[in-house]
Amino acid sequence: EAQVTQNPRYLITVTGKKLTVTCSQNMNHEYMSWYRQDPGLGLRQIYYSMNVEVTDKGDVPEGYKVSRKEKRNFPLILESPSPNQTSLYFCASLSGNTIYFGEGSWLTVV
Amino acid sequence: GQNIDQPTEMTATEGAIVQINCTYQTSGFNGLFWYQQHAGEAPTFLSYNVLDGLEEKGRFSSFLSRSKGYSYLLLKELQMKDSASYLCAVRRDRGSTLGRLYFGRGTQLTVWP
Repeated sequence: EAQVTQNPRYLITVTGKKLTVTCSQNMNHEYMSWYRQDPGLGLRQIYYSMNVEVTDKGDVPEGYKVSRKEKRNFPLILESPSPNQTSLYFCASLSGNTIYFGEGSWLTVV
Repeated sequence: GQNIDQPTEMTATEGAIVQINCTYQTSGFNGLFWYQQHAGEAPTFLSYNVLDGLEEKGRFSSFLSRSKGYSYLLLKELQMKDSASYLCAVRRDRGSTLGRLYFGRGTQLTVWP
């Protein structure tokens, strides 16, 4: 079954404590992306990756890092989380005209 | 980003037809997507248009006019479960932004009995 899996699904953390949200896809897709979704602002792209070792900034990359060491994984790293990074995060992979979204990760930074 | 506009909210009654519009301004246009998203869940794919015209898929249809930068999603025979947010997304292919997707802010549709 085609899947994009992200973890954790829910996390409450404190300001400044580094965290990583993992994302893994089992479809051998080259293109992967991270989005955050906030009320009234829709889905905004954080980073995307066209292939292994190729990553680019999206619209809201500040405060985030990513890596793409292997095709299936695309982790999102918050080196020093702040409360304005409280959001719902989606990982996605794309092949042709089909986008597969993960189930979402609810992140709260206090 | 790109200018993608869609109404914030719409309401309709069960059994009715509703049309959700989306306008966009972009260069390097390479397709428009419609997604449905229920609160707290991941978006699910509804349709994809890259050429002008109407694509029909069951109760849902999507239309595209590239010259006008305009698309609409038509939902027929509305059901309560159609209450959700509907996202319009444009794919842009140009240089380093190959394959990037830009989402509108979504239209929250409420279906009343």
